[in-house]
Amino acid sequence: TQLLEQSPQFLSIQEGENLTVYCNSSSVFSSLQWYRQEPGEGPVLLVTVVTGGEVKKLKRLTFQFGDARKDSSLHITAAQPGDTGLYLCAGVGNSGYALNFGKGTSLLVTP
Amino acid sequence: KAGVTQTPRYLIKTRGQQVTLSCSPISGHRSVSWYQQTPGQGLQFLFEYFSETQRNKGNFPGRFSGRQFSNSRSEMNVSTLELGDSALYLCASSRTGSGNTIYFGEGSWLTVV
Repeated sequence: TQLLEQSPQFLSIQEGENLTVYCNSSSVFSSLQWYRQEPGEGPVLLVTVVTGGEVKKLKRLTFQFGDARKDSSLHITAAQPGDTGLYLCAGVGNSGYALNFGKGTSLLVTP
Repeated sequence: KAGVTQTPRYLIKTRGQQVTLSCSPISGHRSVSWYQQTPGQGLQFLFEYFSETQRNKGNFPGRFSGRQFSNSRSEMNVSTLELGDSALYLCASSRTGSGNTIYFGEGSWLTVV
């Protein structure tokens, strides 16, 4: 059972466009993390959101944690080809030891 | 500092065989966790070790096992390989595991034929 549902599964856009990907769950998490994974590499942590309603910005990326700490979104402004990759959200349970990953959103940004 | 190192990077095994994958965590990190990544199921948690003790285990059959050594290096073993075990196996390390940033290795690509 996948606790976290990510949408869309695939996204292909042109350079300069904006996009939003979503991560939804019926479970409450103590925190939620976003990762980006490029082909042939392991996932790399982008951000951790902890507080319900929290918004964090990382250059052109904006992350939001839902008030109920069950969902999150990632918004990318003016996407660039370097943003291409698999974006994964992961919920951190109460134990803090295991991450529950969504299946990811595969993003392709073409010049 | 050196990142998480996994060996081997690629390997091909035959059904019924067993395989051992190795992970060297970042220096000073005592928590090592393992994940299986497949196109169909995504990233799934296998188990986590801290100070040579398994603290948490995912929903995988007993064919999947692991251990951690006193220097924090970890190995995972899969016995009686099945075709469905073909996947990218990722190791991640962190200082203590709980609430710390985890860092992933590049993974070991296992193909079972």
